[in-house]
Amino acid sequence: DGGITQSPKYLFRKEGQNVTLSCEQNLNHDAMYWYRQDPGQGLRLIYYSQIVNDFQKGDIAEGYSVSREKKESFPLTVTSAQKNPTAFYLCASKWSASGRNEQFFGPGTRLTVL
Amino acid sequence: AQSVAQPEDQVNVAEGNPLTVKCTYSVSGNPYLFWYVQYPNRGLQFLLKYITGDNLVKGSYGFEAEFNKSQTSFHLKKPSALVSDSALYFCAVDDNYGQNFVFGPGTRLSVLP
Repeated sequence: DGGITQSPKYLFRKEGQNVTLSCEQNLNHDAMYWYRQDPGQGLRLIYYSQIVNDFQKGDIAEGYSVSREKKESFPLTVTSAQKNPTAFYLCASKWSASGRNEQFFGPGTRLTVL
Repeated sequence: AQSVAQPEDQVNVAEGNPLTVKCTYSVSGNPYLFWYVQYPNRGLQFLLKYITGDNLVKGSYGFEAEFNKSQTSFHLKKPSALVSDSALYFCAVDDNYGQNFVFGPGTRLSVLP
């Protein structure tokens, strides 16, 4: 899982609550990403950021929010507006915008709505 | 728009036999292609990538992949499968803007002892 950490590993949320998932990297990567993975499915992009203080919506951004105040950190907030948030969440990072570079992934956070 | 297909949801192979996990792609320019492996409840691990040059790319854990431009394929291979290779495998292509990957749906590989 390289130099990317995600916390917590498991997270339980009551309906109507906002929760924040942490993602930190010490790889000096410019770009960071959040993906959602549902059972038996591939990865879907939630948000990504190419540079500090800038981020873009991915394919399924509704009900989620992010910030990128520091290069090392890209926290994801799952808001109460996300109707079905139970999933496995993966954070990734890579060197800047060159398409030649692979993404490095964190170990993931499993979110369960009670 | 870029897209990636992994035509097999599941691949079963006996230990010691060669394995192939298939990937085909559609891109508007020169493709940058990647393979990842995911073990249960873990993040994705990078295996190998094709950027340019030799069509046969060697990667981690004895895996290799063959880039075929005419067939728009990038199949993952290993000469002799191990039980520990059992996992979920993802193929990905860069979106040509260097901003994000497009991932395939994944193929579950089961290596039987």
